[in-house]
Amino acid sequence: QSVLTQPPSASGTPGQRVTISCSGSSSNIGGYSVSWYQQLPGTAPKLLIHTSNQRPSGVPARFSGSKSGTSASLAISGLQSEDEADYYCATWDDSLNAVLFGGGTKLTVL
Amino acid sequence: EVQLVQSGAEVKKPGDSLKISCKGSGYNFIAYWIAWVRQMPGKGLEWMGTIYPADSDTRYSPSFQGQVTISADKSISTAYLQWSSLQASDTAMYYCARLEVYSHTALGYWGQGTLVTVSS
Repeated sequence: QSVLTQPPSASGTPGQRVTISCSGSSSNIGGYSVSWYQQLPGTAPKLLIHTSNQRPSGVPARFSGSKSGTSASLAISGLQSEDEADYYCATWDDSLNAVLFGGGTKLTVL
Repeated sequence: EVQLVQSGAEVKKPGDSLKISCKGSGYNFIAYWIAWVRQMPGKGLEWMGTIYPADSDTRYSPSFQGQVTISADKSISTAYLQWSSLQASDTAMYYCARLEVYSHTALGYWGQGTLVTVSS
């Protein structure tokens, strides 16, 4: 059971907008920024979002991040088949004194 | 081009020792923290710890403190993850990644991963 809670699965059809949530507490998301990662099958993770809502160079604008209170979200607009992957949130937790990943969300493009 | 190249897959027996490596290139290796991340078969990502190669300042996640040792040799731009006595539960893919300066959790470049299999 992860301290950062993500839905285990999400799905959408091509062109749709999907949102993946990451729920935490005041000791983690409530006080710190969030990063999001995409892991395609059989590959290393890739940084999608940092500092809660910033995209690294090269990440398409259809990926966006937000944070409110003790929750964060990753939104993917104009869903594409190649977006089918596992997605993870990450942040610092000051009660555990550790960086935490969420449990991950498997996104299926129908 | 920034690259992190990890050592190859390992098959070990319980009780064996092991040291895997992560060689950085294309950037100033000593200026960025390197993190190690574990992914057990079919499971999620776990942050193990980080090292700052310039002075070998090392931080471990509580779950991994005492279980592994993270080190670095800045003269050859290489970070290491080692075990003194492997257990079957150490079977996993291990990734190294570069921690970006703009965020304490942003791993911007990743190695290809090293698969460690521990089996009798």
